[in-house]
Parts: sequence; structure tokens; C-alpha cells
Amino acid sequence: GENVEQHPSTLSVQEGDSAVIKCTYSDSASNYFPWYKQELGKRPQLIIDIRSNVGEKKDQRIAVTLNKTAKHFSLHITETQPEDSAVYFCAAGLGGGATNKLIFGTGTLLAVQP
Amino acid sequence: GAVVSQHPSRVICKSGTSVKIECRSLDFQATTMFWYRQFPKQSLMLMATSNEGSKATYEQGVEKDKFLINHASLTLSTLTVTSAHPEDSSFYICSAGGRAYEQYFGPGTRLTVT
Repeated sequence: GENVEQHPSTLSVQEGDSAVIKCTYSDSASNYFPWYKQELGKRPQLIIDIRSNVGEKKDQRIAVTLNKTAKHFSLHITETQPEDSAVYFCAAGLGGGATNKLIFGTGTLLAVQP
Repeated sequence: GAVVSQHPSRVICKSGTSVKIECRSLDFQATTMFWYRQFPKQSLMLMATSNEGSKATYEQGVEKDKFLINHASLTLSTLTVTSAHPEDSSFYICSAGGRAYEQYFGPGTRLTVT
């Protein structure tokens, strides 16, 4: 089955700096790669996603890149703000079908220092 | 956006009793719902995939007889933890599948077994 690795486990940046979180996946059939932000005690919130037919996607300060050959995908947050502090999870799955199940990475605790 | 509710948000039960958790998609019909378990400071672990009108598909290592899942309608899935023990204490989160790829999460249920 799918296995997703995520690095780093913790990341501390200064406000205004960029943050990059990287994930690798094992199943070449996976075609959907979302990123979720989870604040303490709250539900994961989808912040951006990418499908395998696209190499890069951007939404304001957030971007995701995908390298299908290497089975890597990354989250880039620019101009970080204290409210970006949270745990971020990557996931990989086979979307568009009957199951759509996602396998999550281990999470990255991002701390943005003011 | 898609809204998923979960009830109860917190529950404390005695060892040996059963607890039912409800997951509802409020503004869309979800053919597929998913149940996750999350330990403190850890990732989301997929427990099972619930398809409306059919038996749930459990992930390896998840006890079917202990975690009963019912998906009776396109907007409601339930997870029943039977004969709960303290090691079942955890944060249980459901998600509902969107139109094709997305998953939207409920707010989670904090279960404490005494």
C-alpha cells in the first residue's frame, strides 16, 4: 500500500521568511496530493491540493510542486505570518474513484516567530 | 464550502461500554466517508472507508468487530466503539468525500475511556 514520508517534523522560521515542507510517496498510482493545516484541537483544513497531471499550483502565498518521476511533492509558504503556525500534513491518494482514500504523512509542526 | 459535522465533540465513558459517534455531511451528499484516529501530536491514521449502502472497508490492523461502521445514508455515517477500553481513548475524526478528489473533515470527537 501507499506510504508517505514527510520532513521536517518541526520547522521554525522568522516572520516574513519562507517555509518548505517536503513529502515523498511510494505508490506510483497515486494521483492526488492535498495539504492540510491543523491547529491544536481542531479539524484538518484543506489549504491546497494538486493532481498528478499538474507540476505546480499556486494560491497567493502558498504553492505546491509535484515531481511524479521522483515521487516528491512539496509545500511552499512565502512571507510567513504568525497565524501560519500549525501542524501541516501532506497526503497522497488515488482520487476520482470509488475509494478516494488518503494516506497521510507524519506532519510538520511549523512555528513562525514574530 | 463543504461542511461536515460530528457528534459528540467529547465523550467520556466507562470501560466495557459502547460509544457511538455520528458523522454528517450537511450540504452535500457523500457516497464515501472515512474514519481516522489521531493520537496526540501524531498523524491521522485511516481506520476504514465507509461506502453508502455497503460494508465498510477496514485498514489492516483495525478490528472490524470493535469498530463498527454504518453508512446508512448519503449524509450519515456512524462509528461505534464497542466494549471500549482505556487504550481506545483517542481523537476520532471523520471525513466526507467531495465531488471527486477532496475530503472534508469533521471537527473530531475526543473519546476518553475511564
